[in-house]
Amino acid sequence: KQEVTQIPAALSVPEGENLVLNCSFTDSAIYNLQWFRQDPGKGLTSLLLIQSSQREQTSGRLNASLDKSSGRSTLYIAASQPGDSATYLCAVDAQGGSEKLVFGKGTKLTVNP
Amino acid sequence: DAGVIQSPRHEVTEMGQEVTLRCKPISGHDYLFWYRQTMMRGLELLIYFNNNVPIDDSGMPEDRFSAKMPNASFSTLKIQPSEPRDSAVYFCASSPYSHEQFFGPGTRLTVL
Repeated sequence: KQEVTQIPAALSVPEGENLVLNCSFTDSAIYNLQWFRQDPGKGLTSLLLIQSSQREQTSGRLNASLDKSSGRSTLYIAASQPGDSATYLCAVDAQGGSEKLVFGKGTKLTVNP
Repeated sequence: DAGVIQSPRHEVTEMGQEVTLRCKPISGHDYLFWYRQTMMRGLELLIYFNNNVPIDDSGMPEDRFSAKMPNASFSTLKIQPSEPRDSAVYFCASSPYSHEQFFGPGTRLTVL
């Protein structure tokens, strides 16, 4: 059964700092890994989708990497801003190629001005 | 596109009442998912549809929960009778063939 763990559960940093959020998963036979952002009281916003054949994806100040064999992904946020404050969740296939996603519990990020 | 639309955004009801949550997926998306989010359990998949057909309902907690998708632009999640432990935020998401999922704003359900 696929399980996803995100460490740390919460992170507080000063504005301008570069930071890394971690995600690990138990079954490496995945097709996709997706990072989401969730603001308080809101739905999830898709940030980046990495297919298993890819090593990383970039969008603006965000860079997500995937090491499928070790069951790990990282989300790198450069030059963090207070507007980046949110909970970040990663999700992978429940089984390789399944449309079902298994989510981690998320990392709550606070960027202090 | 307006994105995934859910209604109502908030629902407060009393134990034993029937609750119906509604979802309109993004046009052209073949997959529709219903999730529940709680502090204790995080985000859990309840059921998903492909081309209006239920594919996997193994996450539906009990027979009190049912979901339908009568056409490509509408789905409902019904709880009858509702219980206080059903209080949660319920999300609907849709996905094209690429598997990237797009979420609605959610319905916050409170059962008293």
